Amino acid sequence: KAGVTQTPRYLIKTRGQQVTLSCSPISGHRSVSWYQQTPGQGLQFLFEYFSETQRNKGNFPGRFSGRQFSNSRSEMNVSTLELGDSALYLCASSGRTSGRRELFFGEGSRLTVL
Amino acid sequence: DQQVKQNSPSLSVQEGRISILNCDYTNSMFDYFLWYKKYPAEGPTFLISISSIKDKNEDGRFTVFLNKSAKHLSLHIVPSQPGDSAVYFCAASGLNQGAQKLVFGQGTRLTINP
Repeated sequence: KAGVTQTPRYLIKTRGQQVTLSCSPISGHRSVSWYQQTPGQGLQFLFEYFSETQRNKGNFPGRFSGRQFSNSRSEMNVSTLELGDSALYLCASSGRTSGRRELFFGEGSRLTVL
Repeated sequence: DQQVKQNSPSLSVQEGRISILNCDYTNSMFDYFLWYKKYPAEGPTFLISISSIKDKNEDGRFTVFLNKSAKHLSLHIVPSQPGDSAVYFCAASGLNQGAQKLVFGQGTRLTINP
């Protein structure tokens, strides 16, 4: 069973640009979540999508947005990039498994903003 | 407001000995707790979890203990092996926050010395 796939793995942007990251969940998983990881901050929840609807949202500005397609693939977009947006962006998927709530993470997309 | 805290940024343990990683939380509505392990350049991988109705869960060399009155959980690894060297994240979720949203600690870097 293929894992969570994220593209691109690495990218460099400059301030003011925008970026789109893509995530393909594990087959059969309908929930996709996005997290931002920065040094010393752990993983911060961005948002969760389920059946093409945003089900939950973290405390990030409106420059961060996302969407989910009918095949459960998801994209997140960051507009007007700032230096502080440099981070590892992790996508995770989950499916209902006997009440367990573990998320399955991809390898992440490392964004550097110059 | 850091709802999940891992107060030890790093821990060094001799191979074969017990590793104990600690985690504290503040939100009494959390009812499910997880530990993830992360190697460099990889996404976090699920290790073990525990529901708030239990106080202990074992899986091979890994045991998680939950003390609800103290709002504290710990991960025990015994015996520790060099391959256990990684960053360990504690995470929590609560049905009132959205079961698929995890709140993570900052992580503890575990180094197993041969």
